[in-house]
Amino acid sequence: GAVVSQHPSRVICKSGTSVKIECRSLDFQATTMFWYRQFPKQSLMLMATSNEGSKATYEQGVEKDKFLINHASLTLSTLTVTSAHPEDSSFYICSARDRQGIPEAFFGQGTRLTVV
Amino acid sequence: KQEVTQIPAALSVPEGENLVLNCSFTDSAIYNLQWFRQDPGKGLTSLLLIQSSQREQTSGRLNASLDKSSGRSTLYIAASQPGDSATYLCAVRPQTGANNLFFGTGTRLTVIP
Repeated sequence: GAVVSQHPSRVICKSGTSVKIECRSLDFQATTMFWYRQFPKQSLMLMATSNEGSKATYEQGVEKDKFLINHASLTLSTLTVTSAHPEDSSFYICSARDRQGIPEAFFGQGTRLTVV
Repeated sequence: KQEVTQIPAALSVPEGENLVLNCSFTDSAIYNLQWFRQDPGKGLTSLLLIQSSQREQTSGRLNASLDKSSGRSTLYIAASQPGDSATYLCAVRPQTGANNLFFGTGTRLTVIP
């Protein structure tokens, strides 16, 4: 199956700093990538849809100026959490869809962000 | 808006038992439904994908069924093993829209040796 690589897997940062998370499709091209967030004991909730070469589409309630998404190539999307606060501590996970239309969604390993 | 619910939220069974996990969704206009496994603090492993035109899919000891009209899917695990202990998530992809997935709340399975 297709491989999606997400880094880092775990990060601890100080309140007020920014953190960048990378999501790469290793063996396929992805015109669309999705960023999800999962709080403890809750399910995954879509944050934004990242489209190669265009602006991301954010879900209601997600601040686009706080969660910056860049999808500059067909294999890489990045999520930057700016001015992180403790309430941003969560599990962030990306998903990529093959541009060739394979129906299955492939997920990265996830990033555990802890803001102290 | 699509809502996905999974019952039970948690399940504990002795090793060797067969078990069924349930998933229901409110909007039957789906493109496909996917079952995932998530180990604590880890990402998602895709288990089975059922297209909207299909009724079931099988992989090893896993069998997933889909009744689109009633908005239900089940994941059947045969002869459970301790290594099956994990959280199981079902997710639906709508027929239209951005093609993101709507996830259920998950069932946390513990298989007792």
